[in-house]
Amino acid sequence: QLQLQESGPGLVKPSQTLSLTCSVSGGSMSSSRHFWGWIRQPPGKGLEWIGSIYNSGSTYHNVSLRSRVTMSVDTSENQFSLKLSSVTAADTAIYYCAREEVATSWYFDLWGRGTLVTVSS
Amino acid sequence: NFILTQPNSVSESPGKTVTISCTRSSGSIASNYVQWYQQRPASSPTLVIYEDKQRPSGVPDRFSGSIDSSSNSASLTISGLKTDDEADYYCQSYDNNNRLFGGGTKLTVL
Repeated sequence: QLQLQESGPGLVKPSQTLSLTCSVSGGSMSSSRHFWGWIRQPPGKGLEWIGSIYNSGSTYHNVSLRSRVTMSVDTSENQFSLKLSSVTAADTAIYYCAREEVATSWYFDLWGRGTLVTVSS
Repeated sequence: NFILTQPNSVSESPGKTVTISCTRSSGSIASNYVQWYQQRPASSPTLVIYEDKQRPSGVPDRFSGSIDSSSNSASLTISGLKTDDEADYYCQSYDNNNRLFGGGTKLTVL
């Protein structure tokens, strides 16, 4: 069974860059049916899509975050990564990685457990 | 882009049926599939409905989805409510390469 696991620093200083990695185990990232996505959830609030990346490196980003978001993929290591620059307290959230089915619709069918990132000095 | 609007909260008794709505602000609800996710406290979301009305393997048939073009909304219906169904529920759709979530609905089973 495919599993996803987020990793990265739990504390980032304001104005710095948040960096997270999602490790995929139990399966391959090479499927043509799937993108690999990042979603975040501020404490006590709802879900916000950040962006999604294909195994070729093609990406889609949330328009509201696009200028600060960089995504990359390493299929040889079965990992994909997120960088969010110039962070502020508003970027404090649980960050989830997820597999996105894109064959006939776009939805997230497998999620990681999430990792809390706090932006604070 | 459009906005997906959900009620903040709903409550119902065990054994009853509850429906959670998700209204699309512009464009037709039928233009792009709607998905539903369940998020129990301190857990990551899980998919319970995809493509408007399809259930992933393992999701009980007490969960059903539908869309209504007249109200431009999607609905998640949970019948035979169990206390274990108490969770936040989010609808999700997409358009122009963007993925959009509704604000979430807290379901209380009491």
